[in-house]
Amino acid sequence: NAGVTQTPKFQVLKTGQSMTLQCAQDMNHNSMYWYRQDPGMGLRLIYYSASEGTTDKGEVPNGYNVSRLNKREFSLRLESAAPSQTSVYFCASSGPTGSLNEQFFGPGTRLTVL
Amino acid sequence: AQSVAQPEDQVNVAEGNPLTVKCTYSVSGNPYLFWYVQYPNRGLQFLLKYITGDNLVKGSYGFEAEFNKSQTSFHLKKPSALVSDSALYFCAVRDTMDSNYQLIWGAGTKLIIKP
Repeated sequence: NAGVTQTPKFQVLKTGQSMTLQCAQDMNHNSMYWYRQDPGMGLRLIYYSASEGTTDKGEVPNGYNVSRLNKREFSLRLESAAPSQTSVYFCASSGPTGSLNEQFFGPGTRLTVL
Repeated sequence: AQSVAQPEDQVNVAEGNPLTVKCTYSVSGNPYLFWYVQYPNRGLQFLLKYITGDNLVKGSYGFEAEFNKSQTSFHLKKPSALVSDSALYFCAVRDTMDSNYQLIWGAGTKLIIKP
């Protein structure tokens, strides 16, 4: 099992450009999450999907959109990137009883917006 | 409001000594508590969790944590530190009164084990 995979690993954008971060999991998990990690701030939830076909806003959703394409895939889109979105982005998934189960994380995408 | 505090930005321990990484929380209901570790340039890895039952929880790599309801704490411990334990450690909590799936994360504690 590959677990949770993310692409790309690194990305540099100019202000105003758009991009989509891809995430896939092969653990048959229902719940998937997108976080950003900034120094000294821990992880902040951007969006999550409790199950296929549903998405909900997290703590910091502004400037982002998500798509739960199917049970395996959950993408994060930046429509018009801003320097404040420079961060490391992590995708995670968790099992059938999402609130009890630990989350499994991908390796992250390091995004720089110039 | 739910919150998690990791009061130490960094903890320094000599190899072979016991280590403690502190975590306190605030929730409305009962907590589900988690510890994760992050090695440089890697994603987070699950270490252990407390859901219910025995207050002492054992996890991966020889780590354990003790749930203390009266002190609202969930400190991570290991009897004998290894240099390879050097990493960033995160505590997280979910409130059982919260109907969504969100974890509230601490800011992280950098653990440095010196040979």
